[in-house]
Amino acid sequence: SAVISQKPSRDICQRGTSLTIQCQVDSQVTMMFWYRQQPGQSLTLIATANQGSEATYESGFVIDKFPISRPNLTFSTLTVSNMSPEDSSIYLCSVSRAGGQETQYFGPGTRLLVL
Amino acid sequence: QKEVEQNSGPLSVPEGAIASLNCTYSDRGSQSFFWYRQYSGKSPELIMSIYSNGDKEDGRFTAQLNKASQYVSLLIRDSQPSDSATYLCAVKGLTGGGNKLTFGTGTQLKVEL
Repeated sequence: SAVISQKPSRDICQRGTSLTIQCQVDSQVTMMFWYRQQPGQSLTLIATANQGSEATYESGFVIDKFPISRPNLTFSTLTVSNMSPEDSSIYLCSVSRAGGQETQYFGPGTRLLVL
Repeated sequence: QKEVEQNSGPLSVPEGAIASLNCTYSDRGSQSFFWYRQYSGKSPELIMSIYSNGDKEDGRFTAQLNKASQYVSLLIRDSQPSDSATYLCAVKGLTGGGNKLTFGTGTQLKVEL
């Protein structure tokens, strides 16, 4: 497995502002993903963070709202832009050492409340 | 039809009993199957992975896969109160280059003293 850290662990933000969440892994990984888990719901994939290129977004998620960076094989950021109360959620970073059958491991999550 | 379906529960079992959690999936091309446990307020942690038809055992946990029936299950023997959590079934199919993990809504398990 991999040791994954996220910053911040939680935040309370005002609507209209933006928050950048950081994900750091203790070793190089091939795949990094960002998920959202809304209250009482399961996990929804936002995008796959690609090293050195633009992220691959899932249906319903756009780069203007959720810009993602991945400058190297151990670090990625997710920005939640122009926030509204509907963005209140847990945001989770997930990593996999390779694609295919490789297992995904999750970071501790960032709990976001937008007022 | 949802891609990955689970009964939301709660599933209540007495301490020491066997808990049986079930999951069905729609993508016949799915290759990899995972069970995650999520305690309230925590992130998901991997319990089991299974890739071939049949049973896979790890301690008190047994994962069962039947690709013909598009069905995967998790058995927890000698259930303990510490097993009380939400169990998420996750499936990797052919979409997204075989890297996309699709989650079910989870089954809440309660192990009662």
